[in-house]
Amino acid sequence: DQQVKQNSPSLSVQEGRISILNCDYTNSMFDYFLWYKKYPAEGPTFLISISSIKDKNEDGRFTVFLNKSAKHLSLHIVPSQPGDSAVYFCAASAWTNAGKSTFGDGTTLTVKP
Amino acid sequence: DVKVTQSSRYLVKRTGEKVFLECVQDMDHENMFWYRQDPGLGLRLIYFSYDVKMKEKGDIPEGYSVSREKKERFSLILESASTNQTSMYLCASSDQYEQYFGPGTRLTVT
Repeated sequence: DQQVKQNSPSLSVQEGRISILNCDYTNSMFDYFLWYKKYPAEGPTFLISISSIKDKNEDGRFTVFLNKSAKHLSLHIVPSQPGDSAVYFCAASAWTNAGKSTFGDGTTLTVKP
Repeated sequence: DVKVTQSSRYLVKRTGEKVFLECVQDMDHENMFWYRQDPGLGLRLIYFSYDVKMKEKGDIPEGYSVSREKKERFSLILESASTNQTSMYLCASSDQYEQYFGPGTRLTVT
């Protein structure tokens, strides 16, 4: 049973437009959510996170939205840039095991110039 | 800056060989992790450790073991490598929620 799902394996957007990456989870114990970005031949790097006590967190061009009732979160990138082309992983953690995260399968974002 | 280093970027081993993958972090983090990444399967947790000499199985521990004798070092051991263990192996460390990853080791078992 996959507890964190990213249903879109890939997404292609035009430079300057908005990119929206989606993530669904099933475990009600998850209370902290993170997004990581991964370039080929590199390890993932942390991008942005959100606690379950919030419904939105913004950092520059990146905003994460959390809908607890729907068990859904999304990452918005505005405006998208070619350098944003990467694999994006959604991850979820529970306070009972704060150091451990469950990751989704990833979404490959391609931003076309 | 947190730095997580892995002993090799690329490794080629033969079936049946014993393989050691080493990971070192320099931020005194309690938690360390080993994942493998395969196309379409995301990051799958093999083992993690929350303290020296402590370890817990992740989602896919079969065929692997780990060792954590010092806080900064976490080793992944393939006792007898098989072709289905050809993969990208990623090490990570964390203090709380955010994990810091190494660059990965691309292991090929022939």
